[in-house]
Order: sequence, then structure tokens, then C-alpha cells
Amino acid sequence: KAGVTQTPRYLIKTRGQQVTLSCSPISGHRSVSWYQQTPGQGLQFLFEYFSETQRNKGNFPGRFSGRQFSNSRSEMNVSTLELGDSALYLCASSYDREREQFFGPGTRLTVL
Amino acid sequence: AQSVAQPEDQVNVAEGNPLTVKCTYSVSGNPYLFWYVQYPNRGLQFLLKYITGDNLVKGSYGFEAEFNKSQTSFHLKKPSALVSDSALYFCAVRDRGSQGNLIFGKGTKLSVKP
Repeated sequence: KAGVTQTPRYLIKTRGQQVTLSCSPISGHRSVSWYQQTPGQGLQFLFEYFSETQRNKGNFPGRFSGRQFSNSRSEMNVSTLELGDSALYLCASSYDREREQFFGPGTRLTVL
Repeated sequence: AQSVAQPEDQVNVAEGNPLTVKCTYSVSGNPYLFWYVQYPNRGLQFLLKYITGDNLVKGSYGFEAEFNKSQTSFHLKKPSALVSDSALYFCAVRDRGSQGNLIFGKGTKLSVKP
């Protein structure tokens, strides 16, 4: 069974631009969560989607948004990029919230 | 509020020695508990979980963890460390009674020297 895939793997943007990251979960998994990982803040929860509905949202500004499609694939968007948005963005999928999450390799976003 | 504490930023052990990576948690109800490992420039890999039942949970790569309800701890252990175990380890918790998200600790860097 294929794992969680994330595209692109690396991204360089400038301040003020916007970016869209994509995540394809493991086949059959309906829950997708997104995390931001930085050396200073560690792993911070962004949002969780289940069957196209956002179930939870972390403490991030409205510039961060996401969605999930009917095939469970998910995208997250960051608008008006700031230098502090530079991070590794991780996507994770699970069959349901009682099971373990499986993580993708992440998208490394650098904002210049 | 739910929280996870990993009191040690770094743990150093010699190859062949036992290792312990500590985790304590705070949730209002009964938790689901997880351990993940992250190698450099990679995503997180699932190691093991506690849902219910036996307090000693066995996972991947020879790791195990002991759930202690009275001490609200879920320490990760391995009887004999390998150099290849060197990585960043994360403890995570979710309150099974809530709709809350998975909460991760700050991570503990494990360094195993030959």
C-alpha cells in the first residue's frame, strides 16, 4: 500500500506570495491532518479534515486554510506569506481518529 | 487543557545500553498515547500506541513503552540501543472522549554513540 505523498517536496517563495501544498493520503484513510514543524515551536497542529469536513483547527491566522476533496486528497493554502511561515509542513492520514496517523515526508517551505 | 511533556531535550546513551525516553501527559479523560520517530529531513514514523489493555506495549524496531496511569506517564524504552536509533522522538496524546486533535510533545533527541 502506498504511503502518504506530499507535493511539492521543496518550495521557495517570497514574502507576500501565496502557496498551495498538496497531500494524498493512504488509500482508504478518510482523516487528514496538517502540521507545521519549526525548530523553535516544534510540531504545531494546523487543521484536521474528515470526509471533506474540517473537524478541528489549530491556533493559526486566517491566512492558513485547507480543504479536502471527495477522494480524501487534501490541500492547504497559505496566503500573504511571511518570513515566519518558513517551516516543514507535514500531512498525516489515518483511517479514523482512534488509529495512528501516518505521515508524509513533508513539504519544506522557505520564504525569502 | 491537554498537554504532553518530554522533560529531556536530549538523551545520550552508549550502544548496547538500555535507553529510556520520558513522556508525561495531561488529559481530562482516558488517553490514546503514541510514540513517533523522525529521522533527519523525513516525516514522522509510527512506533507504537497504547489504546487499552496491557500497560506494556511493544512496537517497531524493538521499542516498547509502559503506560502508567497513576503517574500519567508513557515512557519509551529499548533494552539495547543501536547507533541507528539516533533520531528525534515524539510522544503524542489524544483524549479519547473529546473531538480534540492529537497533541505532540516537543521531542527528545536521542543520540547513541558506538
